[in-house]
Amino acid sequence: NAGVTQTPKFRVLKTGQSMTLLCAQDMNHEYMYWYRQDPGMGLRLIHYSVGEGTTAKGEVPDGYNVSRLKKQNFLLGLESAAPSQTSVYFCASSYSREWSNEQFFGPGTRLTVL
Amino acid sequence: AQSVTQLGSHVSVSEGALVLLRCNYSSSVPPYLFWYVQYPNQGLQLLLKYTTGATLVKGINGFEAEFKKSETSFHLTKPSAHMSDAAEYFCAVSDHKDYKLSFGAGTTVTVRA
Repeated sequence: NAGVTQTPKFRVLKTGQSMTLLCAQDMNHEYMYWYRQDPGMGLRLIHYSVGEGTTAKGEVPDGYNVSRLKKQNFLLGLESAAPSQTSVYFCASSYSREWSNEQFFGPGTRLTVL
Repeated sequence: AQSVTQLGSHVSVSEGALVLLRCNYSSSVPPYLFWYVQYPNQGLQLLLKYTTGATLVKGINGFEAEFKKSETSFHLTKPSAHMSDAAEYFCAVSDHKDYKLSFGAGTTVTVRA
């Protein structure tokens, strides 16, 4: 099993450009999450999904959109990138509605917006 | 809503010395607590977790943590640091009302030879 994979690993955008980050998991997990990681701030939740076809806002959703058309994939879109979106983005997934909610993380995408 | 505070953004220890990373949480319901480790340029991986039962939890790589409800703490320890323990460590909490994790700001551990 590959676990959680993310595409691309690195990307540089100019202000105003758009892009989509792809997350895929092969563990048949119900829940998927997008986080951003910035120095000194830990991980902050952008959006999450509790099942195919459903999405919900997290702590910092502005400027991002998501879609979960297939259970195994969770896409994060930036319609008009801004320098404040320079960050490392992590996708995660978890199995079920069990209370423990252990999450499995991808390797991350490092995004720079100029 | 829950939150996590990690005391100390950087910890430096000598090889073979005790590693102690502090985590305090706030939660209105019984929490589920996690420690994750992030090695340079990698994603996060689970070290250990507390859900219910025994309050002393053992994880991978010789780490353990103790849940102390009265102190709302979940400190991480390792008796003897190894060079390979150099990484960033995150404490996280979730509760049964939702399935999201709230993360602390992280503690970077450096190990001196």
